Amino acid sequence: ETGVTQSPTHLIKTRGQQVTLRCSSQSGHNTVSWYQQALGQGPQFIFQYYREEENGRGNFPPRFSGLQFPNYSSELNVNALELDDSALYLCASSSRQGNYGGYTFGSGTRLTVV
Amino acid sequence: TQLLEQSPQFLSIQEGENLTVYCNSSSVFSSLQWYRQEPGEGPVLLVTVVTGGEVKKLKRLTFQFGDARKDSSLHITAAQPGDTGLYLCAGRVPTSGTYKYIFGTGTRLKVLA
Repeated sequence: ETGVTQSPTHLIKTRGQQVTLRCSSQSGHNTVSWYQQALGQGPQFIFQYYREEENGRGNFPPRFSGLQFPNYSSELNVNALELDDSALYLCASSSRQGNYGGYTFGSGTRLTVV
Repeated sequence: TQLLEQSPQFLSIQEGENLTVYCNSSSVFSSLQWYRQEPGEGPVLLVTVVTGGEVKKLKRLTFQFGDARKDSSLHITAAQPGDTGLYLCAGRVPTSGTYKYIFGTGTRLKVLA
């Protein structure tokens, strides 16, 4: 079975720009969650998608938005980038909402905002 | 707001030593997970504990969930350089009709050969 794939692996953007990060979930998984991990910290929950709808959101502003597609892949969009948005963005898939099986994480996208 | 605090934040030990990492909260979790993350990679799930007082073993790693399901510990016996990494605990909490996992602050472990 394939794991979780994220693209791109690294990205440099200028403050004020917009960015789209992509995630292909693990085969058989229908729920995708996005996390932001700042340097030296634990991942912070951004939001979760299930059946193509946002289903649970963390303490992030509306300029963080996402999509889930019928094949369960997902995108994270961030508008009006700020310097503090520089972080590792992790996508995690799971087999259903709220299961105890845990996440399968991708390797992340390292976003640098200059 | 649920917070998971891990201690210690950093740990540098010699190969063969034992260590314990703690994960504490004032909130109750329906389950708790431990992950290990290496540089440039996403976290990898080590274990899930569900029942208060539960103990799980994974080779040299022993995980315990507190009786009140508010805290957990990870004990490593005879640490090896391959154990080096960032150890993260994550508690399962309800959100908007579903569940999410909130992560602790992490413990960065370095095992010296």
